[in-house]
Amino acid sequence: AQSVTQPDIHITVSEGASLELRCNYSYGATPYLFWYVQSPGQGLQLLLKYFSGDTLVQGIKGFEAEFKRSQSSFNLRKPSVHWSDAAEYFCAVGARGSQGNLIFGKGTKLSVKP
Amino acid sequence: GAGVSQSPSNKVTEKGKDVELRCDPISGHTALYWYRQSLGQGLEFLIYFQGNSAPDKSGLPSDRFSAERTGGSVSTLTIQRTQQEDSAVYLCASRQSLSGTGNSPLHFGNGTRLTVT
Repeated sequence: AQSVTQPDIHITVSEGASLELRCNYSYGATPYLFWYVQSPGQGLQLLLKYFSGDTLVQGIKGFEAEFKRSQSSFNLRKPSVHWSDAAEYFCAVGARGSQGNLIFGKGTKLSVKP
Repeated sequence: GAGVSQSPSNKVTEKGKDVELRCDPISGHTALYWYRQSLGQGLEFLIYFQGNSAPDKSGLPSDRFSAERTGGSVSTLTIQRTQQEDSAVYLCASRQSLSGTGNSPLHFGNGTRLTVT
Protein backbone atom coordinates (compact mmCIF):
# COMPACT_ATOMS: atom_id res chain seq x y z
CA ALA A 1 0.00 0.00 0.00
CA GLN A 2 1.07 3.53 -0.64
CA SER A 3 2.28 5.63 2.29
CA VAL A 4 4.00 8.93 2.85
CA THR A 5 6.25 9.85 5.76
CA GLN A 6 7.21 13.35 6.75
CA PRO A 7 9.66 12.78 9.60
CA ASP A 8 9.69 16.35 10.87
CA ILE A 9 6.55 17.55 12.63
CA HIS A 10 7.81 21.08 13.24
CA ILE A 11 10.79 22.98 11.87
CA THR A 12 11.96 26.49 12.74
CA VAL A 13 14.35 28.38 10.49
CA SER A 14 15.60 31.94 10.44
CA GLU A 15 14.46 34.26 7.70
CA GLY A 16 16.94 34.12 4.84
CA ALA A 17 18.19 30.67 5.77
CA SER A 18 17.85 27.68 3.49
CA LEU A 19 15.13 25.09 3.99
CA GLU A 20 14.73 21.40 3.32
CA LEU A 21 11.58 19.48 4.24
CA ARG A 22 11.82 15.73 4.05
CA CYS A 23 9.38 13.35 2.43
CA ASN A 24 9.70 9.61 1.98
CA TYR A 25 7.17 7.48 0.20
CA SER A 26 6.38 3.82 -0.11
CA TYR A 27 5.08 2.61 -3.44
CA GLY A 28 5.82 -0.29 -5.75
CA ALA A 29 6.52 1.79 -8.83
CA THR A 30 7.21 5.41 -9.65
CA PRO A 31 4.32 7.40 -8.29
CA TYR A 32 3.09 10.88 -8.93
CA LEU A 33 4.45 13.16 -6.20
CA PHE A 34 3.12 16.46 -4.95
CA TRP A 35 3.89 19.13 -2.37
CA TYR A 36 1.08 21.27 -1.02
CA VAL A 37 1.18 24.23 1.37
CA GLN A 38 -1.54 25.22 3.81
CA SER A 39 -1.70 28.62 5.48
CA PRO A 40 -3.81 28.97 8.65
CA GLY A 41 -7.52 28.80 7.91
CA GLN A 42 -6.94 28.06 4.27
CA GLY A 43 -7.19 25.05 2.02
CA LEU A 44 -4.16 23.42 0.44
CA GLN A 45 -2.35 25.05 -2.45
CA LEU A 46 -0.23 23.06 -4.89
CA LEU A 47 3.46 24.05 -4.79
CA LEU A 48 4.85 21.60 -7.32
CA LYS A 49 4.46 18.13 -8.77
CA TYR A 50 6.58 15.38 -10.26
CA PHE A 51 5.26 13.07 -12.95
CA SER A 52 8.24 12.06 -15.06
CA GLY A 53 11.39 13.40 -16.71
CA ASP A 54 13.74 15.77 -14.94
CA THR A 55 13.96 14.71 -11.31
CA LEU A 56 14.42 18.29 -10.12
CA VAL A 57 11.14 20.14 -10.38
CA GLN A 58 10.53 23.82 -9.88
CA GLY A 59 7.42 25.15 -8.21
CA ILE A 60 5.82 28.38 -7.19
CA LYS A 61 7.19 30.78 -4.59
CA GLY A 62 10.79 29.75 -5.28
CA PHE A 63 10.39 26.16 -4.08
CA GLU A 64 11.93 23.13 -5.73
CA ALA A 65 11.92 19.42 -5.02
CA GLU A 66 14.08 16.53 -6.11
CA PHE A 67 12.84 13.02 -6.78
CA LYS A 68 15.38 10.41 -5.72
CA ARG A 69 14.22 6.94 -6.66
CA SER A 70 17.03 5.17 -4.81
CA GLN A 71 16.01 6.85 -1.56
CA SER A 72 12.25 6.90 -2.19
CA SER A 73 12.39 10.57 -1.34
CA PHE A 74 10.93 13.81 -2.65
CA ASN A 75 12.39 16.53 -0.43
CA LEU A 76 11.27 20.12 -0.74
CA ARG A 77 13.85 22.89 -0.75
CA LYS A 78 14.10 26.64 -0.81
CA PRO A 79 17.40 28.55 -0.82
CA SER A 80 16.21 31.53 1.21
CA VAL A 81 13.12 31.43 3.39
CA HIS A 82 10.79 34.41 3.74
CA TRP A 83 8.58 35.11 6.77
CA SER A 84 5.53 34.55 4.55
CA ASP A 85 6.61 30.93 4.02
CA ALA A 86 5.48 30.06 7.56
CA ALA A 87 2.76 27.46 7.01
CA GLU A 88 2.19 23.73 7.03
CA TYR A 89 3.58 21.67 4.19
CA PHE A 90 2.18 18.36 2.98
CA CYS A 91 3.77 15.80 0.73
CA ALA A 92 1.41 13.52 -1.22
CA VAL A 93 1.65 10.51 -3.49
CA GLY A 94 -0.73 9.38 -6.20
CA ALA A 95 -0.77 6.10 -8.07
CA ARG A 96 -0.05 6.10 -11.81
CA GLY A 97 -2.94 5.02 -13.99
CA SER A 98 -5.33 5.65 -11.18
CA GLN A 99 -8.05 8.19 -10.85
CA GLY A 100 -8.17 7.62 -7.15
CA ASN A 101 -7.23 9.70 -4.21
CA LEU A 102 -3.89 11.08 -3.08
CA ILE A 103 -2.23 9.80 0.07
CA PHE A 104 -0.93 12.62 2.23
CA GLY A 105 1.79 12.76 4.84
CA LYS A 106 0.98 14.19 8.25
CA GLY A 107 2.56 17.49 7.40
CA THR A 108 5.48 19.61 8.58
CA LYS A 109 4.80 22.90 10.26
CA LEU A 110 7.32 25.57 9.33
CA SER A 111 7.98 28.52 11.62
CA VAL A 112 10.21 31.40 10.49
CA LYS A 113 12.23 33.45 12.97
CA PRO A 114 12.89 37.10 12.12
CA GLY B 1 -16.71 30.13 -9.53
CA ALA B 2 -12.94 30.49 -9.59
CA GLY B 3 -12.22 27.92 -6.91
CA VAL B 4 -13.69 25.20 -4.75
CA SER B 5 -16.26 26.67 -2.39
CA GLN B 6 -17.24 25.10 0.93
CA SER B 7 -19.96 26.08 3.35
CA PRO B 8 -20.30 26.77 6.16
CA SER B 9 -16.76 27.80 7.02
CA ASN B 10 -17.42 27.03 10.67
CA LYS B 11 -20.02 24.82 12.30
CA VAL B 12 -20.59 24.22 16.00
CA THR B 13 -23.04 21.50 16.88
CA GLU B 14 -24.13 19.54 19.89
CA LYS B 15 -23.24 15.91 20.27
CA GLY B 16 -25.91 13.71 18.74
CA LYS B 17 -27.08 16.22 16.14
CA ASP B 18 -26.79 15.70 12.38
CA VAL B 19 -24.74 18.09 10.23
CA GLU B 20 -24.46 18.71 6.49
CA LEU B 21 -21.38 20.16 4.87
CA ARG B 22 -21.50 21.49 1.33
CA CYS B 23 -18.92 21.58 -1.43
CA ASP B 24 -19.13 23.40 -4.76
CA PRO B 25 -16.30 22.13 -7.00
CA ILE B 26 -14.66 23.98 -9.83
CA SER B 27 -16.87 23.97 -12.89
CA GLY B 28 -15.94 21.17 -15.26
CA HIS B 29 -14.04 19.13 -12.70
CA THR B 30 -15.30 15.58 -12.83
CA ALA B 31 -13.56 14.27 -9.72
CA LEU B 32 -14.49 15.36 -6.19
CA TYR B 33 -12.91 14.30 -2.90
CA TRP B 34 -13.64 14.75 0.78
CA TYR B 35 -10.82 14.69 3.31
CA ARG B 36 -10.81 15.10 7.08
CA GLN B 37 -7.99 16.98 8.76
CA SER B 38 -7.58 16.43 12.47
CA LEU B 39 -4.92 18.13 14.56
CA GLY B 40 -1.57 16.44 14.02
CA GLN B 41 -3.08 13.73 11.83
CA GLY B 42 -2.65 15.10 8.34
CA LEU B 43 -5.34 14.53 5.76
CA GLU B 44 -7.52 11.46 5.99
CA PHE B 45 -9.29 10.40 2.79
CA LEU B 46 -13.04 9.96 3.22
CA ILE B 47 -14.77 9.56 -0.14
CA TYR B 48 -14.19 10.12 -3.84
CA PHE B 49 -16.63 10.77 -6.70
CA GLN B 50 -15.68 10.41 -10.36
CA GLY B 51 -18.30 11.34 -12.94
CA ASN B 52 -21.21 8.92 -12.93
CA SER B 53 -19.24 6.06 -11.44
CA ALA B 54 -20.05 4.58 -8.05
CA PRO B 55 -18.20 6.56 -5.39
CA ASP B 56 -15.19 5.17 -3.55
CA LYS B 57 -16.41 5.16 0.04
CA SER B 58 -13.50 3.21 1.44
CA GLY B 59 -12.35 6.03 3.72
CA LEU B 60 -15.61 6.73 5.53
CA PRO B 61 -14.92 5.99 9.23
CA SER B 62 -18.39 4.76 10.15
CA ASP B 63 -21.91 4.38 8.83
CA ARG B 64 -22.77 7.72 10.42
CA PHE B 65 -20.90 9.33 7.52
CA SER B 66 -22.39 9.59 4.06
CA ALA B 67 -21.99 11.79 1.02
CA GLU B 68 -23.76 12.43 -2.22
CA ARG B 69 -23.04 14.37 -5.33
CA THR B 70 -26.02 15.70 -7.21
CA GLY B 71 -25.91 16.29 -10.95
CA GLY B 72 -22.19 15.64 -11.01
CA SER B 73 -21.49 18.96 -9.32
CA VAL B 74 -22.35 19.98 -5.76
CA SER B 75 -21.59 17.49 -3.01
CA THR B 76 -22.93 17.19 0.52
CA LEU B 77 -21.18 15.34 3.32
CA THR B 78 -23.57 14.30 6.08
CA ILE B 79 -22.57 13.23 9.56
CA GLN B 80 -25.37 11.74 11.63
CA ARG B 81 -25.46 11.61 15.42
CA THR B 82 -22.23 13.59 15.69
CA GLN B 83 -19.64 12.63 18.27
CA GLN B 84 -16.87 14.74 19.79
CA GLU B 85 -14.26 12.80 17.85
CA ASP B 86 -15.86 14.06 14.63
CA SER B 87 -14.47 17.53 15.41
CA ALA B 88 -12.06 18.36 12.61
CA VAL B 89 -11.66 20.41 9.46
CA TYR B 90 -13.43 18.82 6.51
CA LEU B 91 -11.76 19.63 3.21
CA CYS B 92 -13.24 19.21 -0.22
CA ALA B 93 -11.12 19.03 -3.36
CA SER B 94 -11.83 18.67 -7.05
CA ARG B 95 -9.76 17.95 -10.10
CA GLN B 96 -10.11 17.71 -13.83
CA SER B 97 -9.55 14.00 -13.93
CA LEU B 98 -8.41 12.65 -17.27
CA SER B 99 -9.19 9.07 -18.15
CA GLY B 100 -6.41 6.64 -17.21
CA THR B 101 -4.23 9.15 -15.45
CA GLY B 102 -3.82 10.40 -11.92
CA ASN B 103 -1.63 13.37 -12.59
CA SER B 104 -3.99 16.33 -12.50
CA PRO B 105 -3.57 18.18 -9.21
CA LEU B 106 -6.24 18.57 -6.58
CA HIS B 107 -7.75 21.99 -5.98
CA PHE B 108 -8.87 22.44 -2.38
CA GLY B 109 -11.54 24.52 -0.75
CA ASN B 110 -10.85 26.35 2.51
CA GLY B 111 -12.62 23.70 4.53
CA THR B 112 -15.38 23.56 7.11
CA ARG B 113 -14.22 23.56 10.73
CA LEU B 114 -16.63 21.33 12.65
CA THR B 115 -16.75 21.51 16.42
CA VAL B 116 -18.91 19.02 18.30
CA THR B 117 -19.63 20.07 21.88
